[in-house]
Amino acid sequence: DTGVSQDPRHKITKRGQNVTFRCDPISEHNRLYWYRQTLGQGPEFLTYFQNEAQLEKSRLLSDRFSAERPKGSFSTLEIQRTEQGDSAMYLCASSIGPEQGSFEKLFFGSGTQLSVL
Amino acid sequence: RKEVEQDPGPFNVPEGATVAFNCTYSNSASQSFFWYRQDCRKEPKLLMSVYSSGNEDGRFTAQLNRASQYISLLIRDSKLSDSATYLCAVNVGYSTLTFGKGTMLLVSP
Repeated sequence: DTGVSQDPRHKITKRGQNVTFRCDPISEHNRLYWYRQTLGQGPEFLTYFQNEAQLEKSRLLSDRFSAERPKGSFSTLEIQRTEQGDSAMYLCASSIGPEQGSFEKLFFGSGTQLSVL
Repeated sequence: RKEVEQDPGPFNVPEGATVAFNCTYSNSASQSFFWYRQDCRKEPKLLMSVYSSGNEDGRFTAQLNRASQYISLLIRDSKLSDSATYLCAVNVGYSTLTFGKGTMLLVSP
């Protein structure tokens, strides 16, 4: 499978616990994005990387959220001290870089569904 | 005004019908426009890009109206398998895509 993969698919946790999600982008894509989606809403941008550099973060990304992409390949998104409001689908997407053409065409992974009890 | 707005629907249409959705955007500097399809509990998938001249892909036609700041998606000869949520997405310069909330389409036999 050469698409974007995310792990785990589902995560149930108790309020106050920390969780970490992983995303493996399409191998030749150097841009990686994290979005969050709740029921009835469109995906909301959280942050993105170009290679290993985190270039933009949304105001939605509180200090409890941190994302890394240490070697410009896979990425992790960690949520510390989870709250019930963090319950959502966390989507990862990747794209080629702007110098390679149409970088806005995002390819999404299947997402990680987080439930905070 | 929200950056990207869509009528959430649902649009209920019979098989074979033609249906159209609009999506308005607030930033006149927006440069790139897309339609994504999202099935229930699945990830969004790129349906088509929207070009200034309009573009067609089989039964699907996308158009851009810069003067009125909206994009449209027309689906002809609707199939049951077209039932999904259709998300529009807009990009300004090198920034990230901003998505609308989506429009739900239900095609019935």
